[in-house]
Amino acid sequence: GDSVTQMEGPVTLSEEAFLTINCTYTATGYPSLFWYVQYPGEGLQLLLKATKADDKGSNKGFEATYRKETTSFHLEKGSVQVSDSAVYFCALTPRGGSNYKLTFGKGTLLTVNP
Amino acid sequence: DAGITQSPRYKITETGRQVTLMCHQTWSHSYMFWYRQDLGHGLRLIYYSAAADITDKGEVPDGYVVSRSKTENFPLTLESATRSQTSVYFCASSDGVSNQPQHFGDGTRLSIL
Repeated sequence: GDSVTQMEGPVTLSEEAFLTINCTYTATGYPSLFWYVQYPGEGLQLLLKATKADDKGSNKGFEATYRKETTSFHLEKGSVQVSDSAVYFCALTPRGGSNYKLTFGKGTLLTVNP
Repeated sequence: DAGITQSPRYKITETGRQVTLMCHQTWSHSYMFWYRQDLGHGLRLIYYSAAADITDKGEVPDGYVVSRSKTENFPLTLESATRSQTSVYFCASSDGVSNQPQHFGDGTRLSIL
């Protein structure tokens, strides 16, 4: 079945540091890929997405590129802020058919210190 | 305002009691989902629904019951709560297109004593 593996963390960085959170996936065909963010006490919010190979999703300074050859969708940000402290989830949905269930990674806790 | 709301936000109950978590969405999305979030497990799908009166099991359905008589509502019932069901529960909805995201509520934190 489909699966998502992401670095478990926790990740602790200083403000303005560079962030990478690794995500790899196993799926048949060409899934759609997502990064969700969960701030303390809140539900998950979509951060960015990519729906085909070589697509780059971007939002709020975060970027991730859909790499079919390495089955990866790593999340990056050039300069993190304290307000980026949250849990980040990589996820996929299979393409086509009637299965719209999200498969999540286990999440990565990011703490950014001033 | 359009959105997805869960109630209650917090609930404490005792083992053996029945408890129902409510979820309401205003987008008229066809799909709705229930997840539980536990440390070390991430989010796990409990049940989902493709439309009114159509529901199906997810990864961890045992001990839970769902219904969907109206498109906008998707309640989750624990018929006889157990301590292992202490968790944070999230409801989500989507329009059923695979490249579109799911939209999540703010969650219900359930403690079973």
